[in-house]
Amino acid sequence: DIVMTQSPLSLPVTPGEPASISCRSSQSLLHSNGYKYLSWYLQKPGQSPHLLIYLGANRASGVPDRFSGSGSGTDFTLKISRVEAEDVGVYFCMQSLQNPFTFGGGTKVEIK
Amino acid sequence: QVQLLQSGAELKKPGASVKISCKASGYTSTNFPIHWVRQAPGQRLEWMGWINVGNGNTRSSQKFQGRVTITRDRSATTAYIDVSSLTSEDTAVYYCAKYEGEPEAFDVWGQGTMVTVSS
Repeated sequence: DIVMTQSPLSLPVTPGEPASISCRSSQSLLHSNGYKYLSWYLQKPGQSPHLLIYLGANRASGVPDRFSGSGSGTDFTLKISRVEAEDVGVYFCMQSLQNPFTFGGGTKVEIK
Repeated sequence: QVQLLQSGAELKKPGASVKISCKASGYTSTNFPIHWVRQAPGQRLEWMGWINVGNGNTRSSQKFQGRVTITRDRSATTAYIDVSSLTSEDTAVYYCAKYEGEPEAFDVWGQGTMVTVSS
């Protein structure tokens, strides 16, 4: 199975400041079609996860442009250019290159 | 707009089985995949398997093979997951989610079903 490792575990942030979350995979997530099968999700308290970024760098519909994704075959980053209070929650990365799909352990973002 | 509506919370005794439903609405196609993911307390999300509601093709994670059955009612556009021989380690929130080739991600999630296994 592909192992997904996220860091940090917890991220206290100041509103208006940038934030960055790292996700590393044990194998390359680069598909033969040239796409990286890595997605990012946010799970707000008491809610289901929802999609932020797909194929490594594409924002999902309705996601503010302060969120961006980037990365190589095994190292990926989610950036928030200016954190807002509504961005608190747990962020997960997930690989869907091969079964079983696997998730990172999550990064809890909270306001300082 | 696609929505996924799951059945309600369950309390089960060890050794019992649980069956959770996930009804889809708003699909324009009859062939669509529904995946199942669970989240145990303090644990990371865990993928369990999927089913194509249209043609019934299904696949489960090797970890759960023999204990998890994923089925569907095509006419009711509903997917089900049945987990047998429950232990306390199966206590978790179970989610169904929609995954398709575009965007190669889970873009719609159900609201989650809490399953508690306790004697």
